[in-house]
Amino acid sequence: AQTVTQSQPEMSVQEAETVTLSCTYDTSESDYYLFWYKQPPSRQMILVIRQEAYKQQNATENRFSVNFQKAAKSFSLKISDSQLGDAAMYFCAYRSGSSNTGKLIFGQGTTLQVKP
Amino acid sequence: EAQVTQNPRYLITVTGKKLTVTCSQNMNHEYMSWYRQDPGLGLRQIYYSMNVEVTDKGDVPEGYKVSRKEKRNFPLILESPSPNQTSLYFCASKLRGRVTEAFFGQGTRLTVV
Repeated sequence: AQTVTQSQPEMSVQEAETVTLSCTYDTSESDYYLFWYKQPPSRQMILVIRQEAYKQQNATENRFSVNFQKAAKSFSLKISDSQLGDAAMYFCAYRSGSSNTGKLIFGQGTTLQVKP
Repeated sequence: EAQVTQNPRYLITVTGKKLTVTCSQNMNHEYMSWYRQDPGLGLRQIYYSMNVEVTDKGDVPEGYKVSRKEKRNFPLILESPSPNQTSLYFCASKLRGRVTEAFFGQGTRLTVV
């Protein structure tokens, strides 16, 4: 069975600085997707970035980028130029490429605090 | 506007009193799922549905029921709620296909006393 682990329950960063959130996963599959979701105090689940396992290039979305290390099964999220609005809980998630259910497997979450 | 709508957003109930949390999507998605979110555990899938009248258990189905009589609706039923079902619940929907993304509802905060 696949598992996703986020070992940092809480992180903090100074506004305008850079922070990296860690995520590791375990799978025997070669075809899968990885995601980072943001959950602000409103509780809405917002997709931040996704990575297809077959792509070697790391995904980037504006200030958000990932470091995808397939052999190490690591998928970290880097937030550059942190803003107050980035304060939220962040979830790393895995989805099998062969899944016919769309099931997402989530990590435990990391709460990010942004200090002004 | 494309969305997944859950109701209610907050609910406090007593042990054993049957309740239903509704979920509706307006995107004609085939897949729908229910997740619960608990501190330190992330989100875990309760039940999912691949289409009308096709439902199956996720990872934590005990104490829950679902139905999918219409494509747009996927209610979550707690026949006899217990305090260990106090949680934050999310409904999600997704179009069939490898590259499509899940859309989440706003969440329902349930407290069972």
